[in-house]
Parts: sequence; structure tokens; C-alpha cells
Amino acid sequence: EAGVTQSPRYAVLQEGQAVSFWCDPISGHDTLYWYQQPRDQGPQLLVYFRDEAVIDNSQLPSDRFSAVRPKGTNSTLKIQSAKQGDTATYLCASRYWGGRRAETLYFGSGTRLTVL
Amino acid sequence: QQKVQQSPESLSVPEGGMASLNCTSSDRNFQYFWWYRQHSGEGPKALMSIFSDGDKKEGRFTAHLNKASLHVSLHIRDSQPSDSALYFCAASEHDSGYNKLTFGKGTVLLVSP
Repeated sequence: EAGVTQSPRYAVLQEGQAVSFWCDPISGHDTLYWYQQPRDQGPQLLVYFRDEAVIDNSQLPSDRFSAVRPKGTNSTLKIQSAKQGDTATYLCASRYWGGRRAETLYFGSGTRLTVL
Repeated sequence: QQKVQQSPESLSVPEGGMASLNCTSSDRNFQYFWWYRQHSGEGPKALMSIFSDGDKKEGRFTAHLNKASLHVSLHIRDSQPSDSALYFCAASEHDSGYNKLTFGKGTVLLVSP
């Protein structure tokens, strides 16, 4: 079974430029998460979806960050005007919403972003 | 304030030794815990979950949860060089669909041959 797929693997840009990250979750997983992982820190939740609906985007810097999942499958995270402080690895994770107990999150390998 | 705190920041053990990692939550709403492991250049991978007081063993890995103190530990028996990685403790308020994990800063484990 294929895992969570993310692209690109790396991105390097100047401050003020825009960048998009793409995620393909595990087939059948209706819940998708975007996490930001600064260097030497744990992942921090940005936003998560159930199908195409946003469940929680309270930690997403809404002035520059946006995330969509239009058909409830693939998702795109976009940074409109990147800042040096956005330098981090952006991780996508997915899981199945239902089930009797909490389901494990499965992560992709991430996109490592460097903003110069 | 970091809601999930891990210790130590780094740990070095010899091959075949026992590695012990600790995690404490400051939020009493967190009742469900996971341990994740991240090798360099990869995303985190779940090692095990623990939701009930006591021990849970999976192969060389044993997790222990004390809900009263919100303390969870991970013990790795017979550590191997391939266990060298960044280990995260993660916690959640819910065991249902509204499950969003909060991660600690991690513990770097180095197992030397």
C-alpha cells in the first residue's frame, strides 16, 4: 500500500516569493493534516480536514498561508509571501476518521523549505 | 508553554543497552499518548500508542502510562544502531475523529556500536 506522498521534496526561495506544497494521502483516509516542523523541534499543527471540510485552521497564519482539499483527496498548502521564519519542514499526514479508538496518523516524508 | 515536555533532550546508549525516554503533559485534557520515531530525512512514524494506565509492550519497546501524573515513558530494550533517531511523544484530547496530535520537542537517541 502506498504511503502519504508529498512534493516537492525541497524548496528554496527568496523572501516574498510564493510556494505551494502538494500532498496525496493514503487511499481511503478521509482526514488530512498539515504540520510545520521547524529545525530541531516537534511538528506543530497548521490545519486539518475531514474530506473537503476544514475542521481546525486556528494555527494557520491566515494572512499568508492557505490550504485547500477541494475533492476530499489531494491537498495543497500555499505560502503567499514567504518569510525567513517560515523555514521548516512541512509534513502532511492522513488517517481514517472513524473507528472505535483513536487512529494513528501516517506522515509523508515532508517538504523541506528554506527561505533566504 | 509547551504542553508536552520530553526528557532528556539527547541520550546515548551502547548497542544492546536499554534506552529510557520520558514525557509529561501539563494539560489534563490530554489522555491519549503516542510515541513516534523520525529518522533523518523522513517523516515521523508511529511506534506505539498507549491509552490506559500501566505497561504496553510491543517487541523491544515498552511504554508506560501513569494517567494521574500524565507521565508516559518509552523503554527500548536491546537497543540497535538502527534505533538511532529522533523520538517524539505526542498527545491528544480525544479518542474519536477530532484527534489532533500535540507533539513534544523530541529526544535524540544515539545508539553506538
